[in-house]
Amino acid sequence: GQQLNQSPQSMFIQEGEDVSMNCTSSSIFNTWLWYKQDPGEGPVLLIALYKAGELTSNGRLTAQFGITRKDSFLNISASIPSDVGIYFCAGPEWNYNTDKLIFGTGTRLQVFP
Amino acid sequence: DVKVTQSSRYLVKRTGEKVFLECVQDMDHENMFWYRQDPGLGLRLIYFSYDVKMKEKGDIPEGYSVSREKKERFSLILESASTNQTSMYLCASSLGGNNEQFFGPGTRLTVL
Repeated sequence: GQQLNQSPQSMFIQEGEDVSMNCTSSSIFNTWLWYKQDPGEGPVLLIALYKAGELTSNGRLTAQFGITRKDSFLNISASIPSDVGIYFCAGPEWNYNTDKLIFGTGTRLQVFP
Repeated sequence: DVKVTQSSRYLVKRTGEKVFLECVQDMDHENMFWYRQDPGLGLRLIYFSYDVKMKEKGDIPEGYSVSREKKERFSLILESASTNQTSMYLCASSLGGNNEQFFGPGTRLTVL
């Protein structure tokens, strides 16, 4: 079945550093979504990508839809303490028009002052 | 802004109790979803609904049922709670067609 592999599993960085994480799929996706989950809260949609090669920004966050349609990348520039949380990628499951998603396992980000 | 609300943030129940988790969305979304989230296991889909009174099993439906009598409300029911159902439960909704799901704040359920 479809799988999403997310890396790295966790990151420990200094405030001000840039962060990169990625997500790869065993199959082609036509949509990539990136979510952030704060501790004890529900995931929040950060960025949605709909076209191969698309590059989209949301403040200090930039996400790209890979050309092969099998991967996506999320970058965070100049990290701050409130960037702490778990970042998930997600993509639609095959043959569903009900918005059913597959989620990556998440990248846990820790930012030290 | 899409708003998805869940009836409780924290819930403690005893083994064997019937538990209702309620989810309400205010954006006229077609689809609604129930997930559970456990450390090391990620987000797992329990049930989803693509229309009023319609439901489909997700990856882990055993021990759960759902109800969608109105478009804005999707209920998750644990008929007889067990300790292995202690988890974070997340509800989500989506408009339909663009894959974007919006999540509620979650209910952390503890079954003693």
